[in-house]
Amino acid sequence: AQTVTQSQPEMSVQEAETVTLSCTYDTSESNYYLFWYKQPPSRQMILVIRQEAYKQQNATENRFSVNFQKAAKSFSLKISDSQLGDTAMYFCAFMPSYNTDKLIFGTGTRLQVFP
Amino acid sequence: SAVISQKPSRDICQRGTSLTIQCQVDSQVTMMFWYRQQPGQSLTLIATANQGSEATYESGFVIDKFPISRPNLTFSTLTVSNMSPEDSSIYLCSVGAGSTTGELFFGEGSRLTVL
Repeated sequence: AQTVTQSQPEMSVQEAETVTLSCTYDTSESNYYLFWYKQPPSRQMILVIRQEAYKQQNATENRFSVNFQKAAKSFSLKISDSQLGDTAMYFCAFMPSYNTDKLIFGTGTRLQVFP
Repeated sequence: SAVISQKPSRDICQRGTSLTIQCQVDSQVTMMFWYRQQPGQSLTLIATANQGSEATYESGFVIDKFPISRPNLTFSTLTVSNMSPEDSSIYLCSVGAGSTTGELFFGEGSRLTVL
C-alpha cells in the first residue's frame, strides 16, 4: 500500500525568509505523480505544484519549488520569499499513474508566516 | 479550473440524525470525489461518484452510512446517516482537472459537528 508521511506537524517562518516542508512516501510503483496542495484558513484546497516521477527535473512554480529524490522517496517543498498569504495547511499527496482517480494525502504541515 | 459550491458550509447536528451535503460544479465532469477530513487529520477518500452508476466506496466506507447520489454531470450529494460524534469532520467535494495529471479541484468543504 502506498503511504505519504509528513513529519512536521507545524512550521513557522518569518516573512521574506525561506522554508522547506518535508514529505516522504512509500510505493513500489515506478510511475506516479506527486503533489503539494495548500489549504488556507478559508479551507478551499488548491494545487501548489506537481511533479511527474519520470521527470528528473524538479518542478518550479514561481516562489515554490520541490526537491524530488526518487531513490530516497522524498519530495520536499521549498517556499522562497515567504508571504503572509502562504499561511496555510500544506498537504503532500501521491497518485499512482495507473489510477489517476485516487490521491493519497499526508497528514499535513501547518505553516505560519510571521511578519 | 472548476468552481465548486458546497452546501451547507457548516452545520451542527444531533446524534442519530442524517444530513445531506450538496455539491454543484460549474462544468460537466465525469467523476466527482467525496473526501472526509477529520479534525487535525488528513483527507481520506470516501467514494467516487460517477453519473449514471453507483458510487464506488473506499475501504471502511459503506453505502448505508454514506449514500451518494449523482443525478447529472454537475451535481452530487453525500448523506451522512445516523450521525455520531465520530462523524464530526469536514466533508469535501472534488473533481478532476479533466486530464490524467491527477490535479483535483476542491470545494470549500462542509464542516459538520455532531453533538
